[in-house]
Amino acid sequence: EDKVVQSPLSLVVHEGDTVTLNCSYEVTNFRSLLWYKQEKKAPTFLFMLTSSGIEKKSGRLSSILDKKELFSILNITATQTGDSAVYLCAVVSGAGSYQLTFGKGTKLSVIP
Amino acid sequence: KAGVTQTPRYLIKTRGQQVTLSCSPISGHRSVSWYQQTPGQGLQFLFEYFSETQRNKGNFPGRFSGRQFSNSRSEMNVSTLELGDSALYLCASTPWGQGMNTEAFFGQGTRLTVV
Repeated sequence: EDKVVQSPLSLVVHEGDTVTLNCSYEVTNFRSLLWYKQEKKAPTFLFMLTSSGIEKKSGRLSSILDKKELFSILNITATQTGDSAVYLCAVVSGAGSYQLTFGKGTKLSVIP
Repeated sequence: KAGVTQTPRYLIKTRGQQVTLSCSPISGHRSVSWYQQTPGQGLQFLFEYFSETQRNKGNFPGRFSGRQFSNSRSEMNVSTLELGDSALYLCASTPWGQGMNTEAFFGQGTRLTVV
């Protein structure tokens, strides 16, 4: 059975701090790993990672994948209150279909 | 380009009733998948449709079913509702084709409350 585990499950930091969110996975037919941010309802896409060791960056957010050790991290530098959300890690698997297996998410709270 | 549209946004149903939720994917996207989100279990895969065919199904009872129409719009149905079916139901569309790596685009979800 495919499995994605995120840690920590929740995190409270002060504005300006740097945070690292973790995601480990065990899936058959790995295709890619996705990070999403969920504030209210619809998860919004952050990054897609398919190759080991290549860092993806967008502003203060960055992410990297290690396919040998089966994990990914999401870094957020200089956190702001607007970064408060649940961050979801999902793995795309399935030989002939599109299926996402999600972790339980990390709830990040950034306090002023 | 319009995003993924789910209707209705909110629903309140009584135990034993049935419900149908609708999802219109982004234009040109042929793969539609459905997920159930609850506080305890997180987001769980229900099923995925591509060109009107269900290609994959998650570990849910047969009360959960779905279909996809020729215009790629999809519906999911839950019969004989139980209290535990209360959840946020999210639909996602992708332009997925063989050999492609792509992200999924999510709708705003339908919040179902069973009383």
